[in-house]
Amino acid sequence: DAKTTQPPSMDCAEGRAANLPCNHSTISGNEYVYWYRQIHSQGPQYIIHGLKNNETNEMASLIITEDRKSSTLILPHATLRDTAVYYCIVGDSGGYQKVTFGTGTKLQVIP
Amino acid sequence: NAGVTQTPKFRILKIGQSMTLQCAQDMNHNYMYWYRQDPGMGLKLIYYSVGAGITDKGEVPNGYNVSRSTTEDFPLRLELAAPSQTSVYFCASRPGLAGLGEQFFGPGTRLTVL
Repeated sequence: DAKTTQPPSMDCAEGRAANLPCNHSTISGNEYVYWYRQIHSQGPQYIIHGLKNNETNEMASLIITEDRKSSTLILPHATLRDTAVYYCIVGDSGGYQKVTFGTGTKLQVIP
Repeated sequence: NAGVTQTPKFRILKIGQSMTLQCAQDMNHNYMYWYRQDPGMGLKLIYYSVGAGITDKGEVPNGYNVSRSTTEDFPLRLELAAPSQTSVYFCASRPGLAGLGEQFFGPGTRLTVL
């Protein structure tokens, strides 16, 4: 599995866009990029995933660079409820693969 | 749908005791997983299952056993509990679509071994 690198923590002002980066320089051609978040000590929550193209859903946007070596999760209008640990993980499309969530980025949304 | 349910929510064990963490899902998902999360760390995969009767080891399987006799249930057994197994345990499931797909997580079981 490709490994990912994320900053340990970030701050964002409430109402502003939160841009969370992720490096996955060893990603292979059939591997997807997935984002999850974990609010306090709850179970992780799926946010979004993508392969090559940028993706958007009701929660966030995912921007993947053309060489696919990095990506950015964008929360367009961060709220206090978006304070959480955000995990970027990669996994291939063939059956199941063993993946680890790493330590993620702790996003603190500030009033 | 209740989604993924886990019992118990909290448990304290003495060293050497055994217990079973229960996990059930009502979404007819093929894939189910057990993770553990130590304080300040990410999740590590213990075991997973791709369907009833089929299980396999993850990253940290030592000290644990699993079974999958039905699609709905995926219990995790701890034999001879040790302090190193103090952690929060999460169960998850997904439909079995290509790729990771969206994993649905349970609320977790917080286990302390003293």
